[in-house]
This record gives sequence, structure tokens and C-alpha cells, in this order.
Amino acid sequence: QQQVRQSPQSLTVWEGETAILNCSYEDSTFNYFPWYQQFPGEGPALLISIRSVSDKKEDGRFTIFFNKREKKLSLHITDSQPGDSATYFCAASGSTGANTGKLTFGHGTILRVHP
Amino acid sequence: DMKVTQMPRYLIKRMGENVLLECGQDMSHETMYWYRQDPGLGLQLIYISYDVDSNSEGDIPKGYRVSRKKREHFSLILDSAKTNQTSVYFCASSSGMNNQAPLFGEGTRLSVL
Repeated sequence: QQQVRQSPQSLTVWEGETAILNCSYEDSTFNYFPWYQQFPGEGPALLISIRSVSDKKEDGRFTIFFNKREKKLSLHITDSQPGDSATYFCAASGSTGANTGKLTFGHGTILRVHP
Repeated sequence: DMKVTQMPRYLIKRMGENVLLECGQDMSHETMYWYRQDPGLGLQLIYISYDVDSNSEGDIPKGYRVSRKKREHFSLILDSAKTNQTSVYFCASSSGMNNQAPLFGEGTRLSVL
């Protein structure tokens, strides 16, 4: 059973638009949610993260919205740029029990930003 | 400079051969990871190491083993590699404090023919 789900699988937006990437999870013990950005041929790089005590985290053009009750979160990329074209991974981990330190990834969303 | 270094970057092996993937980090991070990435499947955790000789299976440990004799180094071993182990392997490390996001290396592309 997939613990972390992402949608859509791929997303195309025009330069300047807002891209919205969705993520949901199953395990209620997850309390830390980093988002990673990956370009072809490179390793994933941490983009922004949120802990379950918060419902929003903002860093420049990137914002995470978190709904603990529904076990959902989303990454909003405002004023999208062609350089944002990449694969984005939502991940989750917990700090208790079997999930301690183990980061579980979704399958990713491929974002294309057209100029 | 904080970095996770993986060697080699590219590797071609024949089925049945043994494979050794090496990973190093210069941040004295306690926790290290091995993931594999296949198209459309995201990253799957193979093993996690909480410190020297303190290793734990991840979600897909079958066919793999690991070794961590120094905090800075974490090795992934494939004994008698199989063609379905063709993949991109990523090593990562993180501080054990407060559940920090791991820092990833650039990956090793392994082809098993």
C-alpha cells in the first residue's frame, strides 16, 4: 500500500502561472514533510519542508499548505519560471516507532513550465 | 562544504557479479540511507543506518546488504547482481537531531546485463 501519494503525475503551466502539486499520506504518525526538487541526472535536493504543528510554510515563491485532519498537503509555486521545470517529490517521516528517520517518498510530479 | 559523495557514478556489471557502491559524507551525520530510484516509482528505501554498525532494513532490502564501519562511510553491496537491480542508487545522510531532511548524493547509475 502506497503510503505517500502525489497528484498529478505531470503538470504543465505557462510562465508566470501558479503550479499546484498535491500530496496525501496514510500514516498518522508522519509528522515531517519535506519536498524535494530533482533535475535530470542529479540527486533530489531539499526545496522546502513543514512539520505537522504548522499549517503553512512559505519560502519565496514556494508555499506548503498542510491539512492534518485530512492528511493532505500541497506545494504552490507562484510566478512559475522555466527553470522550475523538474520532478517534485513529496516525502514523509515520523519521529516515533517504525517510521523514525525513515523518509517515505511519493512517486513524484513532473512539472513543465512553458515560456 | 557539506556534501555526500558517491562512487562510482556509473557502473556496468554482468549478472552474477558482485557490486560495491560507496558513499561518503563530511558532516559527521549519524544517519545514512541507501535508496533506489526507478522511473515512475519515486525513491524506495533499501537500508537505513543510524550509526556505525547500527543498520536497519528499509522497504526493499532483499538482494542487498550494507556495511558501516566508520560514521563517514556507508557501503551498499549486491552479492550476485540480478538484472532487475539495474537502477539509479542514491545515498543520503542526515543529522540524527530533530528529524532533519536528508542530503542526497548525485547517484550511481548501475546497469546489470
